[in-house]
Amino acid sequence: EPEVTQTPSHQVTQMGQEVILRCVPISNHLYFYWYRQILGQKVEFLVSFYNNEISEKSEIFDDQFSVERPDGSNFTLKIRSTKLEDSAMYFCASSERRTYEQYFGPGTRLTVT
Amino acid sequence: GESVGLHLPTLSVQEGDNSIINCAYSNSASDYFIWYKQESGKGPQFIIDIRSNMDKRQGQRVTVLLNKTVKHLSLQIAATQPGDSAVYFCAEINSGGSNYKLTFGKGTLLTVNP
Repeated sequence: EPEVTQTPSHQVTQMGQEVILRCVPISNHLYFYWYRQILGQKVEFLVSFYNNEISEKSEIFDDQFSVERPDGSNFTLKIRSTKLEDSAMYFCASSERRTYEQYFGPGTRLTVT
Repeated sequence: GESVGLHLPTLSVQEGDNSIINCAYSNSASDYFIWYKQESGKGPQFIIDIRSNMDKRQGQRVTVLLNKTVKHLSLQIAATQPGDSAVYFCAEINSGGSNYKLTFGKGTLLTVNP
Protein backbone atom coordinates (compact mmCIF):
# COMPACT_ATOMS: atom_id res chain seq x y z
CA GLU A 1 0.00 0.00 0.00
CA PRO A 2 1.44 3.40 -0.94
CA GLU A 3 2.46 5.56 1.98
CA VAL A 4 3.91 8.95 2.76
CA THR A 5 7.51 8.80 3.93
CA GLN A 6 9.48 11.38 5.87
CA THR A 7 13.17 11.87 6.63
CA PRO A 8 14.85 12.14 9.00
CA SER A 9 12.81 10.52 11.74
CA HIS A 10 14.57 12.68 14.34
CA GLN A 11 16.51 15.91 13.83
CA VAL A 12 18.40 17.69 16.56
CA THR A 13 19.58 21.20 15.84
CA GLN A 14 20.84 24.24 17.65
CA MET A 15 18.80 27.39 17.97
CA GLY A 16 19.34 29.70 15.02
CA GLN A 17 20.26 26.93 12.61
CA GLU A 18 18.37 26.12 9.43
CA VAL A 19 16.66 22.78 9.04
CA ILE A 20 15.02 21.07 6.09
CA LEU A 21 12.48 18.37 6.68
CA ARG A 22 11.80 16.07 3.78
CA CYS A 23 8.71 14.23 2.66
CA VAL A 24 7.88 11.96 -0.23
CA PRO A 25 4.11 12.10 -0.77
CA ILE A 26 2.12 9.31 -2.38
CA SER A 27 3.03 9.38 -6.05
CA ASN A 28 -0.31 10.25 -7.68
CA HIS A 29 -1.28 12.81 -5.05
CA LEU A 30 -1.48 16.47 -5.98
CA TYR A 31 -2.17 18.22 -2.67
CA PHE A 32 0.43 18.41 0.06
CA TYR A 33 0.31 19.56 3.65
CA TRP A 34 2.51 20.14 6.65
CA TYR A 35 1.20 19.86 10.19
CA ARG A 36 3.01 20.01 13.48
CA GLN A 37 2.35 18.60 16.91
CA ILE A 38 4.03 19.96 20.00
CA LEU A 39 4.49 17.18 22.55
CA GLY A 40 1.22 16.33 24.24
CA GLN A 41 -0.78 18.85 22.25
CA LYS A 42 -3.05 18.71 19.26
CA VAL A 43 -1.99 18.49 15.66
CA GLU A 44 -1.89 21.97 14.07
CA PHE A 45 -2.13 22.88 10.40
CA LEU A 46 0.84 24.76 8.98
CA VAL A 47 0.47 24.96 5.22
CA SER A 48 -1.10 23.42 2.17
CA PHE A 49 0.48 23.31 -1.28
CA TYR A 50 -0.93 22.68 -4.71
CA ASN A 51 0.25 23.30 -8.25
CA ASN A 52 3.64 24.50 -7.02
CA GLU A 53 2.31 27.19 -4.77
CA ILE A 54 1.02 27.66 -1.26
CA SER A 55 -2.78 27.54 -1.21
CA GLU A 56 -3.28 28.23 2.48
CA LYS A 57 -1.14 28.82 5.55
CA SER A 58 -1.71 29.33 9.24
CA GLU A 59 -0.47 32.09 11.54
CA ILE A 60 2.27 29.73 12.69
CA PHE A 61 3.72 29.64 9.18
CA ASP A 62 5.62 32.91 9.31
CA ASP A 63 8.55 34.17 7.26
CA GLN A 64 10.88 31.68 8.92
CA PHE A 65 9.07 28.83 7.18
CA SER A 66 9.05 27.90 3.54
CA VAL A 67 7.97 24.92 1.47
CA GLU A 68 9.19 23.62 -1.81
CA ARG A 69 8.63 20.81 -4.23
CA PRO A 70 12.11 20.68 -5.73
CA ASP A 71 11.40 17.74 -8.01
CA GLY A 72 8.59 15.39 -8.92
CA SER A 73 8.69 13.42 -5.71
CA ASN A 74 9.95 15.44 -2.74
CA PHE A 75 8.13 18.03 -0.67
CA THR A 76 10.21 19.96 1.85
CA LEU A 77 9.66 22.22 4.82
CA LYS A 78 12.46 24.62 5.65
CA ILE A 79 12.83 26.54 8.89
CA ARG A 80 15.43 29.26 8.36
CA SER A 81 16.42 30.10 11.92
CA THR A 82 15.05 27.62 14.41
CA LYS A 83 13.73 28.64 17.80
CA LEU A 84 13.27 26.54 20.90
CA GLU A 85 9.51 26.65 20.41
CA ASP A 86 9.86 25.03 16.98
CA SER A 87 10.56 21.75 18.77
CA ALA A 88 7.72 19.48 17.72
CA MET A 89 6.75 16.54 15.58
CA TYR A 90 6.24 17.64 11.99
CA PHE A 91 3.87 15.63 9.83
CA CYS A 92 3.63 15.71 6.09
CA ALA A 93 0.37 14.66 4.46
CA SER A 94 -0.88 14.31 0.93
CA SER A 95 -4.17 13.81 -0.85
CA GLU A 96 -5.18 12.86 -4.36
CA ARG A 97 -7.53 15.78 -4.69
CA ARG A 98 -8.89 18.62 -2.59
CA THR A 99 -10.28 16.41 0.12
CA TYR A 100 -10.04 15.74 3.80
CA GLU A 101 -8.85 12.20 3.06
CA GLN A 102 -5.27 13.07 3.77
CA TYR A 103 -2.61 10.45 4.29
CA PHE A 104 -0.05 11.25 6.93
CA GLY A 105 3.59 10.30 7.11
CA PRO A 106 5.19 9.00 10.31
CA GLY A 107 6.58 12.41 11.19
CA THR A 108 9.95 14.01 11.90
CA ARG A 109 10.70 14.86 15.49
CA LEU A 110 12.55 18.17 15.57
CA THR A 111 14.43 19.04 18.74
CA VAL A 112 15.89 22.52 18.99
CA THR A 113 18.48 22.98 21.74
CA GLY B 1 -8.92 12.30 33.98
CA GLU B 2 -5.82 13.96 32.63
CA SER B 3 -2.56 12.19 32.09
CA VAL B 4 0.27 14.05 33.81
CA GLY B 5 2.92 15.10 31.32
CA LEU B 6 0.89 14.44 28.20
CA HIS B 7 -1.90 16.82 29.18
CA LEU B 8 -4.37 14.56 27.37
CA PRO B 9 -7.68 13.18 28.56
CA THR B 10 -7.28 9.47 29.10
CA LEU B 11 -9.60 6.50 28.90
CA SER B 12 -8.64 3.11 30.23
CA VAL B 13 -10.78 0.08 29.38
CA GLN B 14 -10.61 -3.67 29.63
CA GLU B 15 -10.18 -5.73 26.50
CA GLY B 16 -13.57 -6.65 25.11
CA ASP B 17 -15.37 -3.67 26.59
CA ASN B 18 -16.88 -0.94 24.46
CA SER B 19 -15.12 2.45 24.42
CA ILE B 20 -16.64 5.86 23.93
CA ILE B 21 -14.39 8.79 23.11
CA ASN B 22 -15.84 12.26 23.07
CA CYS B 23 -14.96 15.46 21.28
CA ALA B 24 -16.34 18.98 21.29
CA TYR B 25 -15.87 20.95 18.10
CA SER B 26 -15.84 24.68 17.75
CA ASN B 27 -16.92 25.77 14.29
CA SER B 28 -20.63 25.55 13.54
CA ALA B 29 -19.78 26.00 9.84
CA SER B 30 -17.80 22.75 9.76
CA ASP B 31 -19.44 20.22 7.48
CA TYR B 32 -17.18 17.21 7.75
CA PHE B 33 -15.89 15.54 10.86
CA ILE B 34 -13.22 12.90 10.96
CA TRP B 35 -11.74 10.62 13.59
CA TYR B 36 -8.04 9.84 13.44
CA LYS B 37 -6.05 7.27 15.35
CA GLN B 38 -2.44 7.97 16.22
CA GLU B 39 -0.31 5.13 17.46
CA SER B 40 2.94 5.81 19.23
CA GLY B 41 5.61 6.98 16.79
CA LYS B 42 3.25 7.17 13.83
CA GLY B 43 1.25 9.79 12.02
CA PRO B 44 -2.53 10.16 12.31
CA GLN B 45 -4.48 7.45 10.54
CA PHE B 46 -7.99 8.01 9.15
CA ILE B 47 -10.66 5.92 10.89
CA ILE B 48 -14.10 7.20 9.94
CA ASP B 49 -15.80 10.37 8.84
CA ILE B 50 -19.28 11.84 9.00
CA ARG B 51 -20.98 14.64 7.15
CA SER B 52 -22.79 17.34 9.06
CA ASN B 53 -26.15 16.25 7.58
CA MET B 54 -25.87 12.88 9.33
CA ASP B 55 -26.31 11.91 12.98
CA LYS B 56 -24.65 8.52 12.91
CA ARG B 57 -22.32 6.51 10.77
CA GLN B 58 -21.09 2.99 11.31
CA GLY B 59 -17.90 1.33 10.23
CA GLN B 60 -16.21 -1.86 11.17
CA ARG B 61 -16.39 -1.98 15.00
CA VAL B 62 -16.64 1.81 15.10
CA THR B 63 -19.58 4.16 15.19
CA VAL B 64 -19.46 7.94 15.06
CA LEU B 65 -22.29 10.03 16.49
CA LEU B 66 -22.76 13.70 15.74
CA ASN B 67 -24.85 16.10 17.79
CA LYS B 68 -24.83 19.44 16.04
CA THR B 69 -27.04 21.09 18.64
CA VAL B 70 -24.29 20.90 21.25
CA LYS B 71 -21.40 20.59 18.79
CA HIS B 72 -20.41 17.19 20.08
CA LEU B 73 -18.89 14.21 18.35
CA SER B 74 -18.27 10.75 19.74
CA LEU B 75 -16.46 7.64 18.59
CA GLN B 76 -17.65 4.30 19.85
CA ILE B 77 -15.37 1.31 19.53
CA ALA B 78 -17.00 -2.07 20.04
CA ALA B 79 -15.15 -4.96 21.68
CA THR B 80 -12.01 -2.91 22.24
CA GLN B 81 -8.76 -4.73 21.55
CA PRO B 82 -5.19 -4.04 22.74
CA GLY B 83 -4.37 -2.90 19.20
CA ASP B 84 -6.86 -0.07 19.66
CA SER B 85 -4.56 1.56 22.22
CA ALA B 86 -3.65 4.93 20.74
CA VAL B 87 -4.45 8.62 20.85
CA TYR B 88 -7.69 9.44 19.09
CA PHE B 89 -8.27 12.86 17.55
CA CYS B 90 -11.36 14.34 16.08
CA ALA B 91 -10.91 16.81 13.26
CA GLU B 92 -13.28 19.19 11.54
CA ILE B 93 -13.34 20.78 8.14
CA ASN B 94 -15.21 23.64 6.57
CA SER B 95 -15.31 22.56 2.96
CA GLY B 96 -16.30 26.05 1.90
CA GLY B 97 -12.82 27.21 2.83
CA SER B 98 -10.03 27.64 0.36
CA ASN B 99 -8.56 24.23 1.03
CA TYR B 100 -9.21 21.21 3.10
CA LYS B 101 -7.42 22.32 6.21
CA LEU B 102 -7.97 19.88 9.04
CA THR B 103 -8.56 21.43 12.45
CA PHE B 104 -7.77 18.85 15.09
CA GLY B 105 -9.08 18.52 18.60
CA LYS B 106 -6.81 17.84 21.54
CA GLY B 107 -6.97 14.06 21.53
CA THR B 108 -7.80 11.29 23.97
CA LEU B 109 -5.38 8.59 25.01
CA LEU B 110 -7.09 5.19 24.97
CA THR B 111 -5.39 2.41 26.90
CA VAL B 112 -6.75 -1.11 26.56
CA ASN B 113 -5.85 -3.47 29.37
CA PRO B 114 -5.61 -7.16 28.47
